[in-house]
Amino acid sequence: AQSVAQPEDQVNVAEGNPLTVKCTYSVSGNPYLFWYVQYPNRGLQFLLKYITGDNLVKGSYGFEAEFNKSQTSFHLKKPSALVSDSALYFCALTTDSWGKLQFGAGTQVVVTP
Amino acid sequence: GAVVSQHPSRVICKSGTSVKIECRSLDFQATTMFWYRQFPKQSLMLMATSNEGSKATYEQGVEKDKFLINHASLTLSTLTVTSAHPEDSSFYICSARDFTNTGELFFGEGSRLTVL
Repeated sequence: AQSVAQPEDQVNVAEGNPLTVKCTYSVSGNPYLFWYVQYPNRGLQFLLKYITGDNLVKGSYGFEAEFNKSQTSFHLKKPSALVSDSALYFCALTTDSWGKLQFGAGTQVVVTP
Repeated sequence: GAVVSQHPSRVICKSGTSVKIECRSLDFQATTMFWYRQFPKQSLMLMATSNEGSKATYEQGVEKDKFLINHASLTLSTLTVTSAHPEDSSFYICSARDFTNTGELFFGEGSRLTVL
């Protein structure tokens, strides 16, 4: 069975510091991995995805993520966090590019001024 | 970019009544839409896959008679919570896949249901 894990419930970082949100996965076959962000009482906004190709994926709002097959990870990163980055972040997995997504538990990011 | 619209964004109803939530793809045709439920500070739980012109496919543990899904057109799927109870109070989010373009999955803004 496939699974996606976000080991941290919350990440606290000071504005201007690097931000990392962790995601690991378990799947048989090739994974398709996604990151979404959710602001309070809103839907999900797409940040980036890994389908194939370069392991380093660049996305919206200055975010990037690195696909690491050996460590089965897809951590989200931003070099310099902003207060406005404070939100709930979800990693998602599918093995079928057209199929349904399985979401991680979510990580609350809190960026302090 | 593609937009998925959900309506209503918030709804309060009495126990025993039924509530309909609409999910529309505004500038693309969506043969497949997904309905999720999200409890406070928790992840999204897939409830069902809505297929245009056919019956929805429900995830294990989701009551199909409780959560009626209709996908009557290529741009509209509806979720009806029948005989709502307080435990049905939740945030419901739909998503639609734009197969005509990149296959990207777009999410609605969500609908907050409160059952009194």
